[in-house]
Amino acid sequence: DGGITQSPKYLFRKEGQNVTLSCEQNLNHDAMYWYRQDPGQGLRLIYYSQIVNDFQKGDIAEGYSVSREKKESFPLTVTSAQKNPTAFYLCASSIADPRTDTQYFGPGTRLTVL
Amino acid sequence: GDSVTQMEGPVTLSEEAFLTINCTYTATGYPSLFWYVQYPGEGLQLLLKATKADDKGSNKGFEATYRKETTSFHLEKGSVQVSDSAVYFCALSLTFRTNAGKSTFGDGTTLTVKP
Repeated sequence: DGGITQSPKYLFRKEGQNVTLSCEQNLNHDAMYWYRQDPGQGLRLIYYSQIVNDFQKGDIAEGYSVSREKKESFPLTVTSAQKNPTAFYLCASSIADPRTDTQYFGPGTRLTVL
Repeated sequence: GDSVTQMEGPVTLSEEAFLTINCTYTATGYPSLFWYVQYPGEGLQLLLKATKADDKGSNKGFEATYRKETTSFHLEKGSVQVSDSAVYFCALSLTFRTNAGKSTFGDGTTLTVKP
């Protein structure tokens, strides 16, 4: 089955620690995205990548980093510089052009900072 | 900048009632418009989309028409079911070439349908 997977589903982190969230897709999509979802605030774009070895900052990139070494994978690192990291993180992918192509979302990772 | 404004929730309806969730947008250029649905603890799934003015998107009994003159994309369903209970997101997207591939989402509207 084709799809997009995220792991882990739940993640707990101590303050001051970096943590990496996994996102993998087998849909052969060129573009991948990371969003943060907070209660009552909808989705906010953290980073996106249109092609392997290239990525761009979204609206709230501070305190986050990404890599895109393979087409299938787009991991997100939440660094200790992110002041309020507790949130639900969603990864998505699309064929190439979000204007016409659907974004497919993973099931999400809920990160809690203890 | 680009923005999407959704009707505030939560919305509570009885089964078989008529549903409208309002969505208006502002955008530079010519966006595509989407409705996504999110069930508890899950990611978003596409519900329907429209890529140009006057297009109507439809799926599972839900409909929305792209109205350029009123910059709106209201979601409607004639008879809701308990299984429609979820959070609904309106979104717009612009091509990479004009807006660097960014999608903008509304804040979401929570729908609860009671039997």
